Amino acid sequence: AQTVTQSQPEMSVQEAETVTLSCTYDTSENNYYLFWYKQPPSRQMILVIRQEAYKQQNATENRFSVNFQKAAKSFSLKISDSQLGDTAMYFCAFTSVGANSKLTFGKGITLSVRP
Amino acid sequence: EPEVTQTPSHQVTQMGQEVILRCVPISNHLYFYWYRQILGQKVEFLVSFYNNEISEKSEIFDDQFSVERPDGSNFTLKIRSTKLEDSAMYFCASRLPAVDQPQHFGDGTRLSIL
Repeated sequence: AQTVTQSQPEMSVQEAETVTLSCTYDTSENNYYLFWYKQPPSRQMILVIRQEAYKQQNATENRFSVNFQKAAKSFSLKISDSQLGDTAMYFCAFTSVGANSKLTFGKGITLSVRP
Repeated sequence: EPEVTQTPSHQVTQMGQEVILRCVPISNHLYFYWYRQILGQKVEFLVSFYNNEISEKSEIFDDQFSVERPDGSNFTLKIRSTKLEDSAMYFCASRLPAVDQPQHFGDGTRLSIL
């Protein structure tokens, strides 16, 4: 069974600064996908970024990038130039490569961006 | 951009009553999911649905739960006889067929059992 661990329950960052959210996971599979989802207060979960395990290059989406360390089973999210709209709950999630592709989530981390 | 929509946003029900949570997935998506999040806990997988049948379900998804896609657009989760511990946020998700496609989530339904 896969597990996803987000050990930091909450973080705070000053606007325009950079923050890194940690995530580790455990799996015996070799090919899988990892995701970061963002959930603003009272809003739906939105995909921020995803990483395919067989790709060595770290994924990047504008101000969001990941540090994917496959051997260490680590998948951290870096947010550069933090904005007030980045305030949200962030979930790390794992899915194996398969038809059903159910997501296994971490507990989430609450990020607050201070003006 | 198309979205997954869920209704109602908040449902309050007496213990022992049946409840139906509704979802309208994105129209060309073929895989559908229900997840739940008990307050303060992780988002947990309940069930996946494809080609008009359940493809996988978790231990949580016992005989009290059922899913249905009655008309080609709605995707419903029914809890037959609700318990206090069913109180949670329930999320519906859908995705395109390709395995590398991400799941798109609805806003969720907050279910409160009294």
